[in-house]
Amino acid sequence: DAGVTQSPTHLIKTRGQQVTLRCSPKSGHDTVSWYQQALGQGPQFIFQYYEEEERQRGNFPDRFSGHQFPNYSSELNVNALLLGDSALYLCASSLGRNNSPLHFGNGTRLTVT
Amino acid sequence: SQQGEEDPQALSIQEGENATMNCSYKTSINNLQWYRQNSGRGLVHLILIRSNEREKHSGRLRVTLDTSKKSSSLLITASRAADTASYFCATTAFSGGYNKLIFGAGTRLAVHP
Repeated sequence: DAGVTQSPTHLIKTRGQQVTLRCSPKSGHDTVSWYQQALGQGPQFIFQYYEEEERQRGNFPDRFSGHQFPNYSSELNVNALLLGDSALYLCASSLGRNNSPLHFGNGTRLTVT
Repeated sequence: SQQGEEDPQALSIQEGENATMNCSYKTSINNLQWYRQNSGRGLVHLILIRSNEREKHSGRLRVTLDTSKKSSSLLITASRAADTASYFCATTAFSGGYNKLIFGAGTRLAVHP
């Protein structure tokens, strides 16, 4: 039974570029949440997708957008990358709307130079 | 901003000792969860305690919840070097029919052999 898988594991981009990160949820899960974790900090909630729609959003600018596909997989897109976007991006899946508990992937380490 | 705040930020103990981490939060919650993160990896769910529960056990873990003080504690008994990790509390924020998990900044635990 596959857990949450994220790709790629590492990525290096230049300021101003765009990036797409991908996530496949744990088998049987239908809700995907994305988090940004800066070094030494706790995960910050970006947004949550359920039934292919964004249901909740954290305090992130519109440069951060996402998508959920009919097979429940999800993408996180970040446009006009800034140096401050360098972080570990974590995808978490769960069943239904209750977020209890979350199953996390190992993340994508994004470095913006 | 983060809902939960862990204390202490860092904790260093010897194998066999107990480790206690505290979490304070600001608003009413449905439940509180504790997660563990090994360096640079995804988070792993440890335990969930509901708002109407006061104490919960899972193996060497004991979690308490005091909703009047808006605080929780995680106790790891008889710690092992393998317990070295960061520990995060997370609270649910309910909005528009959907829950999202908000994480604190974490406690970094180091267990020395």
